Amino acid sequence: NAGVTQTPKFRVLKTGQSMTLLCAQDMNHEYMYWYRQDPGMGLRLIHYSVGEGTTAKGEVPDGYNVSRLKKQNFLLGLESAAPSQTSVYFCASSYGDHRVVYGYTFGSGTRLTVV
Amino acid sequence: GQQLNQSPQSMFIQEGEDVSMNCTSSSIFNTWLWYKQDPGEGPVLLIALYKAGELTSNGRLTAQFGITRKDSFLNISASIPSDVGIYFCAGQLNTGTASKLTFGTGTRLQVTL
Repeated sequence: NAGVTQTPKFRVLKTGQSMTLLCAQDMNHEYMYWYRQDPGMGLRLIHYSVGEGTTAKGEVPDGYNVSRLKKQNFLLGLESAAPSQTSVYFCASSYGDHRVVYGYTFGSGTRLTVV
Repeated sequence: GQQLNQSPQSMFIQEGEDVSMNCTSSSIFNTWLWYKQDPGEGPVLLIALYKAGELTSNGRLTAQFGITRKDSFLNISASIPSDVGIYFCAGQLNTGTASKLTFGTGTRLQVTL
């Protein structure tokens, strides 16, 4: 029962470097999401996917790109990291439709520091 | 973007006391979810609510979906030390596209012996 697995758990980047965060789910969920969590800001949606091969922008998409080539994986990329992207990143998955959501499950997070 | 007003921001209570927290919104939601987050971990779902007026329990936790569909509350009875953590409410708008959630800013709960 792995649920949602995120790798890596911690990472330190220098400004301008790039990296990819990997999210994998084994629940056959259709929807996947990337959030960032900052102190006092709650969780904010970066990008999301409603199915394999589809992606869409969330609330704070600038500076990030995503891909969903396989149903079980959702990748978050930072092309040129900035200190403002220092945060904790959470991946989540769910099933349902636009009216009702079920099984909304989060991974354990990736703590990213950009220096 | 849309934010939920969650209160209180923090609570310090003694073991055995009951706890109540709530979330309000200016928008109508189809679903309300309550999560708990421990340090260094992701949010874990506690209770999900799908109908206005619905009252649902999970052990010592009880949550209700407000009849106006713009609010929800979570009660914890007879608190214990392991209840310490941050509690988040989340609501699902009828977005027409995907099951996106809007989160509250959290209630930090501290329990003293």
